[in-house]
Amino acid sequence: DQQVKQNSPSLSVQEGRISILNCDYTNSMFDYFLWYKKYPAEGPTFLISISSIKDKNEDGRFTVFLNKSAKHLSLHIVPSQPGDSAVYFCAASAGNSGYALNFGKGTSLLVTP
Amino acid sequence: KAGVTQTPRYLIKTRGQQVTLSCSPISGHRSVSWYQQTPGQGLQFLFEYFSETQRNKGNFPGRFSGRQFSNSRSEMNVSTLELGDSALYLCASSSAGTSSGEQYFGPGTRLTVT
Repeated sequence: DQQVKQNSPSLSVQEGRISILNCDYTNSMFDYFLWYKKYPAEGPTFLISISSIKDKNEDGRFTVFLNKSAKHLSLHIVPSQPGDSAVYFCAASAGNSGYALNFGKGTSLLVTP
Repeated sequence: KAGVTQTPRYLIKTRGQQVTLSCSPISGHRSVSWYQQTPGQGLQFLFEYFSETQRNKGNFPGRFSGRQFSNSRSEMNVSTLELGDSALYLCASSSAGTSSGEQYFGPGTRLTVT
């Protein structure tokens, strides 16, 4: 069963505005969360991560927020740029499972000029 | 630093055959993981190797196997191919020795089973 869910298959945002991508998880053992970006014909590229001991991590235009009580995380991209158009995957792992990442099915982001 | 490389990039096989895919991790990375990506199931974890030992295994049948060599290069093998094995197979490497850490993905091998 899908332990990491991205309920929005697609999102369209205007250039310069904020993009918010959401992710929900069901396994309370997950303690590390990552976001990946994927362009067609390429492998996923690591964007940003957050440990369960934090509730926010920021890297340039990208910020990830974690709400453990709601089992929810979100990725904010501000400001959005056309080059951000890609599929974004949320992933999670549990400390006792090594590098076994559980991925959501992805959200396709389109940033329009 | 060179990224993760995977060979071949594309492969067409017939049902019942077997296939071997290869992955070379980033230099210095000792952990290699394999994932299967399909439109219906998304990205699913196959297995992970660290220092030539399988450390984790996903929920796939025994037809899927792998190994890692002393230079950290890894191969995965799928025997008795089925049509449903058609997918993009992604390899990822990581340097961290602990349970968390960013994984760096290769471009994948697109396997088509006819």
